[in-house]
Amino acid sequence: GAGVSQSPRYKVTKRGQDVALRCDPISGHVSLYWYRQALGQGPEFLTYFNYEAQQDKSGLPNDRFSAERPEGSISTLTIQRTEQRDSAMYRCASSLVGTGDYEQFFGPGTRLTVL
Amino acid sequence: SQQGEEDPQALSIQEGENATMNCSYKTSINNLQWYRQNSGRGLVHLILIRSNEREKHSGRLRVTLDTSKKSSSLLITASRAADTASYFCATGNSGYSTLTFGKGTMLLVSP
Repeated sequence: GAGVSQSPRYKVTKRGQDVALRCDPISGHVSLYWYRQALGQGPEFLTYFNYEAQQDKSGLPNDRFSAERPEGSISTLTIQRTEQRDSAMYRCASSLVGTGDYEQFFGPGTRLTVL
Repeated sequence: SQQGEEDPQALSIQEGENATMNCSYKTSINNLQWYRQNSGRGLVHLILIRSNEREKHSGRLRVTLDTSKKSSSLLITASRAADTASYFCATGNSGYSTLTFGKGTMLLVSP
């Protein structure tokens, strides 16, 4: 079956612009996670959802970052007024149940470059 | 912040040799997972070991967990060129659904 998909795969934007990154999880997966990965580092947690409810957003760096999952399926991560330091790979993952005991299936990521 | 620390940062071996990577972490965990990331591709889950388990096998992979030392090791036996990738350990904490990843070990397997 289809895995986790993300779009766009690459996004180049100018400083100050808003960007919206999309994640389409595996059908039927309850939990959806957003991570940010800098070059040479492991993924760093941003936020996660169970169904449509945002359970934890403690990893969001500041209030320019927000995420939603209004119907409990597709999620959007929005970065307002982008800055160069926001450049990174943004990864989405989903899991069947959000208890932490299940593997997370990762999408291919969106490479964001802020000029 | 990242909890896991993989060691070594980079490892270069010949095909057929075994590769061992280690992971140390700081706080108590519910489980520890290993992921692989090929160049330019997404992360793929390899194996999950729970805090009450000491060893687990999956194909050519062997994972050990020592909660008293807060460490884990991943052994890949009879390595292949296709095993070339970055390997990350990730810890799941009791009561939390998120994973905390380490910085990874880059493994290069030469033919």
